[in-house]
Amino acid sequence: RKEVEQDPGPFNVPEGATVAFNCTYSNSASQSFFWYRQDCRKEPKLLMSVYSSGNEDGRFTAQLNRASQYISLLIRDSKLSDSATYLCVVSHNNDMRFGAGTRLTVKP
Amino acid sequence: DTGVSQNPRHKITKRGQNVTFRCDPISEHNRLYWYRQTLGQGPEFLTYFQNEAQLEKSRLLSDRFSAERPKGSFSTLEIQRTEQGDSAMYLCASSWVGGAKETQYFGPGTRLLVL
Repeated sequence: RKEVEQDPGPFNVPEGATVAFNCTYSNSASQSFFWYRQDCRKEPKLLMSVYSSGNEDGRFTAQLNRASQYISLLIRDSKLSDSATYLCVVSHNNDMRFGAGTRLTVKP
Repeated sequence: DTGVSQNPRHKITKRGQNVTFRCDPISEHNRLYWYRQTLGQGPEFLTYFQNEAQLEKSRLLSDRFSAERPKGSFSTLEIQRTEQGDSAMYLCASSWVGGAKETQYFGPGTRLLVL
């Protein structure tokens, strides 16, 4: 079993749609959680950290369920510029493990 | 630009040759990481440094791979006797450890193609 698992997609959604990505992790001792965004042939960039109580940043909402070892990312009112691969990242003692990513394409 | 930089951005080499990549982290960051990423996968951890000390190496890092960070600033990753399976994007990331939550910032990567 992979340490961090994500649905690879692709998710193809129209502009304005709401889309949700899920991620599960195997190490119950994991301490920190993140979502990174990676555009084609570019480096990953931090989208947002994920806090236990859940957190929101504009159109993006992240949730963490430690009991189920599950993380989610919700994107509301999708924009064309949201098209990218979204990487779920789980960290234990500063050792970060990346999921393979979920690919999103937002279409006009 | 005060972000993480990597050189070269692209490298094409023949099987059996040695290659060396360089990473310049964000100047105040004390940790530096190397990752490898292949198509359709997330970045895979290779090794990391805290200042000049190499604290962890993945089992992915075979004897042909060596990394250094001699003065705790820039780092180099060398691959000896390259193989076609080494073709990948090599990403460097840096972070500051000491705050509440460590965040890693990535460089643009070096894309290696071994023919």
